[in-house]
Amino acid sequence: DAGITQSPRHKVTETGTPVTLRCHQTENHRYMYWYRQDPGHGLRLIHYSYGVKDTDKGEVSDGYSVSRSKTEDFLLTLESATSSQTSVYFCAITGPDNTEAFFGQGTRLTVV
Amino acid sequence: RKEVEQDPGPFNVPEGATVAFNCTYSNSASQSFFWYRQDCRKEPKLLMSVYSSGNEDGRFTAQLNRASQYISLLIRDSKLSDSATYLCVVNPTGGGNKLTFGTGTQLKVEL
Repeated sequence: DAGITQSPRHKVTETGTPVTLRCHQTENHRYMYWYRQDPGHGLRLIHYSYGVKDTDKGEVSDGYSVSRSKTEDFLLTLESATSSQTSVYFCAITGPDNTEAFFGQGTRLTVV
Repeated sequence: RKEVEQDPGPFNVPEGATVAFNCTYSNSASQSFFWYRQDCRKEPKLLMSVYSSGNEDGRFTAQLNRASQYISLLIRDSKLSDSATYLCVVNPTGGGNKLTFGTGTQLKVEL
């Protein structure tokens, strides 16, 4: 299995609080991604990174920010969590040929 | 129109049956296509890539029809362990490496 871990795995937070999710990889891959998965919508791209300090928005980026200060870490921050951000969040990396994506185990976030 | 569309199912089939899923995509310039499998409450994992010439891996066959913009997945001799959600994934040209996922098709194989 690809070396990719997410933390925390589960989190319950209150509306209006900031939340940071962490994705850590040991594969030294260039591309990293954050997706959210919701019933009826499938996996939707939030933000992605193509290198240290190089990030770009995905289709559902509003309310989220990211940072990548090191190759191995990609952080997703919810500046002020809302109930609509209750979801399962997956981090992914792609290999040198930029085809197959490997996913972390997911973070189940509940905003109450 | 969604970029990638799949029938959500569920497809309930008896063990040993043959089942097929289709997926349509809207970007005619898309270059790469995949099927991923996702078990309940788990992360998606690559099942197989889909090539223009079609490809087969054991009981699984994937095909691409560029003219009609759809890809298919055929599972023969279904096993209980095949029960999962199957995600159609497209890598659109010009989108960097931003994979676009369908919502998934749920398969339930029953005794």
